Amino acid sequence: QKEVEQNSGPLSVPEGAIASLNCTYSDRVSQSFFWYRQYSGKSPELIMSIYSNGDKEDGRFTAQLNKASQYVSLLIRDSQPSDSATYLCAVNTNAGKSTFGDGTTLTVKP
Amino acid sequence: DGGITQSPKYLFRKEGQNVTLSCEQNLNHDAMYWYRQDPGQGLRLIYYSQIVNDFQKGDIAEGYSVSREKKESFPLTVTSAQKNPTAFYLCASSAGVSTYEQYFGPGTRLTVT
Repeated sequence: QKEVEQNSGPLSVPEGAIASLNCTYSDRVSQSFFWYRQYSGKSPELIMSIYSNGDKEDGRFTAQLNKASQYVSLLIRDSQPSDSATYLCAVNTNAGKSTFGDGTTLTVKP
Repeated sequence: DGGITQSPKYLFRKEGQNVTLSCEQNLNHDAMYWYRQDPGQGLRLIYYSQIVNDFQKGDIAEGYSVSREKKESFPLTVTSAQKNPTAFYLCASSAGVSTYEQYFGPGTRLTVT
């Protein structure tokens, strides 16, 4: 079992819809959780971090964490074509380093 | 402007040659990281360093070497022992000390033929 697993996708949603991206992790002692966005051919950029159970909202993005279920998700409301990218989930399993999932590719169709 | 720079953007080498990739940051971050990304894959950790003059192997360190002589610099050498060196190499940094949000440089695409 991979340490961090994401839906392989690709995920396609119409413009204006909600995109839901999911991630599960195997190490119960994980403390820090991150979502990165990576456009094709570019490097990843941090879009959300979450450290405690519940929801964290930042503009159109909401990260949700459930440590009991070892599950973290990212919701993108009012999806725009510019949101089309690969979204990487990362989990800090040992102090000082993060483990990344393989990413989910999102396409938002106009 | 604060950030992370990697050079060069594209690098071509012949098989059997060692090559060093540059990574510099002016964010005053303590921790620095090197990842490798293959097409359609996530990031795999090669080496990381939390403090000057100290570094740890990541998941795929074989065939790679690093140094951390200065806080702002973390060069990666891809040696001839690395069997499949062609990949996208990403350098990142984080403030460290319980802050693990990572910020990435633009990356170096290495092609070895």
